[in-house]
Parts: sequence; structure tokens; C-alpha cells
Amino acid sequence: DAKTTQPPSMDCAEGRAANLPCNHSTISGNEYVYWYRQIHSQGPQYIIHGLKNNETNEMASLIITEDRKSSTLILPHATLRDTAVYYCIVRVRGSQGNLIFGKGTKLSVKP
Amino acid sequence: DGGITQSPKYLFRKEGQNVTLSCEQNLNHDAMYWYRQDPGQGLRLIYYSQIVNDFQKGDIAEGYSVSREKKESFPLTVTSAQKNPTAFYLCASSMRDVNNSPLHFGNGTRLTVT
Repeated sequence: DAKTTQPPSMDCAEGRAANLPCNHSTISGNEYVYWYRQIHSQGPQYIIHGLKNNETNEMASLIITEDRKSSTLILPHATLRDTAVYYCIVRVRGSQGNLIFGKGTKLSVKP
Repeated sequence: DGGITQSPKYLFRKEGQNVTLSCEQNLNHDAMYWYRQDPGQGLRLIYYSQIVNDFQKGDIAEGYSVSREKKESFPLTVTSAQKNPTAFYLCASSMRDVNNSPLHFGNGTRLTVT
């Protein structure tokens, strides 16, 4: 699986959009981009994933660049409960589950 | 509600004792996984199973053992051979070899060995 690079921490004001970047410059054509988040002492929560098209669900939007070397997770209206560590992971279609979780980005949403 | 249940949430053991962590899912998922997380670190894969009665080692399987006798259950045994067993253990499940298949995680078991 390709490696990802994320900033270690970010701040966001409550009610504003949080834009979390991820670099995956070595991504292969069949690798999906997945985003999870982890609130302290809980299991990671799945947020969204995509292959090459932008995706949106009730939690977030995922913007993938045309060359697929980077992506951005957007939380449109961040709340205090969105404070968590956000992990960007690339995963081969049908792979065996060996997701490589890096250290992620610690997002702090401030009032 | 469908989901993954890990028990207990906190577990304390003396050094030299084996301990078994429970993981049960009612999502009808074929694949199940065990990860370990140390403070300030990402997750590392211990074992995974794609189907009943079959499992494979992950990156850090030494000192651990698993079984998969039922689709719903994937218990992890931390043996006395594991040199640094104190950690946060996470179980996950997913559909097997299916496109667009995210992992669903339990809320973890925090094991402390003294």
C-alpha cells in the first residue's frame, strides 16, 4: 500500500470548514483513498473513501486531485465533537486489510 | 444495532499470564482483524482472518495467537511471550475482497500488564 503524509496538527474555528490535506504521491491506479478518525480512547470511525471522483456523504466531502497524488477531506461545518485524529490511508482494491495507519492529523476545533 | 463488541474495555494482568481479548461482530462480515495501538502511534496489524478457520499473521504477530471457529468471533490471546503487551487493542471487520469495503472498528480493549 502507498504511504501517506499528513500534517501532525491543525486548528479550526467552530462552525467553519475544516480542510485536512493528505499527500499520497506514490498511489497506484487501483488504490482507494480512505479517511478515518479516532476520538481519544475509542476505535477509529470510517468517514469516507474514493478512487478518483470526488465523494460526499453526510459526514464529509473528499476531493481527490486529477493526478490522484493528493486529497483533501472537508468537514463543512466543524463542531467541537469533530476534534479527533484524522487518518488518511490508501488501500488496494480487495487487499487483505493491512491498512497502514500513520500518525494522522490531530484536528482541534476551537469555540 | 449492528456492530463490533470488544470486551472488556479495561484489562489488568500480571506479567507471565496469558490473557484473551474478546471480539464479536453481528455485521455478517467475513473478514476480521486485530490491531495494536501504542500511545501517540498509528495502528499496527497483528492478525487477520478472511474466512472461518483461516487466519494470517500481520506485521507484529509474535507473542499473539488467534482462532476463528465462528464467523462472528475472533478472539486474540496475548501470551507471556509478548515482550511489551501493555497497549490499546482494536478489533475490526469488513466484507471480504469486496470493492468499497471500509473497516468497522470496535471501541477497543486497553490491556495493562504489570
